[in-house]
Amino acid sequence: GDSVTQMEGPVTLSEEAFLTINCTYTATGYPSLFWYVQYPGEGLQLLLKATKADDKGSNKGFEATYRKETTSFHLEKGSVQVSDSAVYFCALRGETSGSRLTFGEGTQLTVNP
Amino acid sequence: DTEVTQTPKHLVMGMTNKKSLKCEQHMGHRAMYWYKQKAKKPPELMFVYSYEKLSINESVPSRFSPECPNSSLLNLHLHALQPEDSALYLCASSHFGGDFYNEQFFGPGTRLTVL
Repeated sequence: GDSVTQMEGPVTLSEEAFLTINCTYTATGYPSLFWYVQYPGEGLQLLLKATKADDKGSNKGFEATYRKETTSFHLEKGSVQVSDSAVYFCALRGETSGSRLTFGEGTQLTVNP
Repeated sequence: DTEVTQTPKHLVMGMTNKKSLKCEQHMGHRAMYWYKQKAKKPPELMFVYSYEKLSINESVPSRFSPECPNSSLLNLHLHALQPEDSALYLCASSHFGGDFYNEQFFGPGTRLTVL
């Protein structure tokens, strides 16, 4: 079945540091890939997505590239801010999954001033 | 309006109580979802409604009873819950079918505590 493996947290960075959160997946065919963010006390927000190989999703300074050859969708940001502190979930929707999303375990990011 | 709203924000209930969670969206979405999220874990899918009909039930215990009275509203009726049911309950919605499943919009959740 489909699965998502995410970099274990927690991750603690200083403001303006470079961020990478690794995400690899197992799925047949060409799944759609997502990064969701959950700020404290809130629901999930879609941060970015990519629906085919080599697509790059980007939003709010975050980027991730759909790499079919390495089955990866790593999240990056060049300069993090305190306001980026949140839990980040990598997720996929398989070709035959219908509406089901498969989530990674989540990575807690804390950015210190 | 790109918002999913959920009420109440917090709910405390005893094991013999009956309560309901409510979810509303006005984005014209015809798929709506209930998820359960335990602390420090990803959301777990419970139910999916497509065009107001239940299409997925992830073997959820019958003490959780979903209802979709119309295309904008989704309820989750709770009865005889257990303390282990304490969690954040998230509602989400999306367009239906094909690539339209790609973007699920989540509400802020209801924090449920069962005593």
